[in-house]
Amino acid sequence: AQSVTQLDSHVSVSEGTPVLLRCNYSSSYSPSLFWYVQHPNKGLQLLLKYTSAATLVKGINGFEAEFKKSETSFHLTKPSAHMSDAAEYFCVVSERNPGGYNKLIFGAGTRLAVHP
Amino acid sequence: DVKVTQSSRYLVKRTGEKVFLECVQDMDHENMFWYRQDPGLGLRLIYFSYDVKMKEKGDIPEGYSVSREKKERFSLILESASTNQTSMYLCASSPWGGETQYFGPGTRLLVL
Repeated sequence: AQSVTQLDSHVSVSEGTPVLLRCNYSSSYSPSLFWYVQHPNKGLQLLLKYTSAATLVKGINGFEAEFKKSETSFHLTKPSAHMSDAAEYFCVVSERNPGGYNKLIFGAGTRLAVHP
Repeated sequence: DVKVTQSSRYLVKRTGEKVFLECVQDMDHENMFWYRQDPGLGLRLIYFSYDVKMKEKGDIPEGYSVSREKKERFSLILESASTNQTSMYLCASSPWGGETQYFGPGTRLLVL
């Protein structure tokens, strides 16, 4: 069965410094992986998605993630944090179902704080 | 633009009450999902539906039921609310075979 581990529950950075949110996954086959972001009192928004094309995936708002099969990792990065990046981030793996629909398996989330 | 709406943003109910949470999507998606979100646990799947009148249990279905009478609407029902069902509830939808799910804004439910 697929699973996702987000290695940090909280990350704090200063505005203008790089962001690194770490995620490891477990999957018996080549997975589809996602990062979603949730701003306070909002629903989840898709940041980016990996589906076995390029291993470096670019998303919205300057975020990107690199799929590393040898390390079973899918870490999220951004070169320079902005105050508006403060939110909770979820790493997600898609589980294929023989019925033709896909279930998403969520990590526990990483709360990113950005300080002036 | 993709849109998933949920009937209430905040809801306060008493123990033992029957609670209905409604979700509507305007994207003609076949699949719809209900999750609950709790701190430190991420999102956990309660139920999902891949077609009208079809439903499947997710990982934590106990204490919940669902209804899908129309393609665009998926309801979550708490037959007899309990305090341990205090949580944030998120609805999502996706097209048939699609992996990306689109989420509503969530309903924060407090059961007293």
